[in-house]
Amino acid sequence: QLRLQESGPGLVKPSETLSLTCTVSDDSISLNYWSWIRQAPGKRLEWIAYVHSNGEVNYNPSLESRATISVDTSKNQVSLKLNSVTAADTAVYYCARGSTGRYFWGQGSQVIVSS
Amino acid sequence: EIVLTQSPGALSLSPGERATLSCRASQSVDAIFFDWYQQRPGQPPRLLIYGASTRAAGIPDRFSGSGSGTDFTLTISGLEPEDSAVYYCQQYSYSPYTFGPGTKVEIK
Repeated sequence: QLRLQESGPGLVKPSETLSLTCTVSDDSISLNYWSWIRQAPGKRLEWIAYVHSNGEVNYNPSLESRATISVDTSKNQVSLKLNSVTAADTAVYYCARGSTGRYFWGQGSQVIVSS
Repeated sequence: EIVLTQSPGALSLSPGERATLSCRASQSVDAIFFDWYQQRPGQPPRLLIYGASTRAAGIPDRFSGSGSGTDFTLTISGLEPEDSAVYYCQQYSYSPYTFGPGTKVEIK
């Protein structure tokens, strides 16, 4: 069964860049779309972006200027970079299979933005 | 951006009872692009219903979805203790794809 494992630093300083990696457990990385979705404390789930290995990407306009999503099929990994972070970027970040909906979710990675 | 509003915010019911959860969109969405998710404490969301009314693989038939346009409903018939969770609706008819704030279901 597919497993998605997010990994990241856990703590990021304000104004720095948040970097997260999602490792996909099977060989489906080239066949599917992959998304990042976050859940800030007390806030609703927020779709960040999706990517496909064919080069297609799409971003939430609210985060497009700061986010970069990518896929590395040789490593079976999907990555997210979010620059110029603030406390408002504190959240659990989920990797998910799917582009727009019908998501299959990883366990999530907690990221706290604090000095 | 389409805003989804869920009601009630929370409900507390006994095992065996029926739960009716509502999700309203700020404008009409295509039901094909409307999902429901369940999130148990400490777990990621899990897809329950897609296309407004189709149960995802492995989801018990006590979960059912309906609706169209701006009004959608998730019904849980015969609540089980493991149904204690937060339930989210999501639309992906229009980008950005948005989620509702959730309805928390407590089993007494």
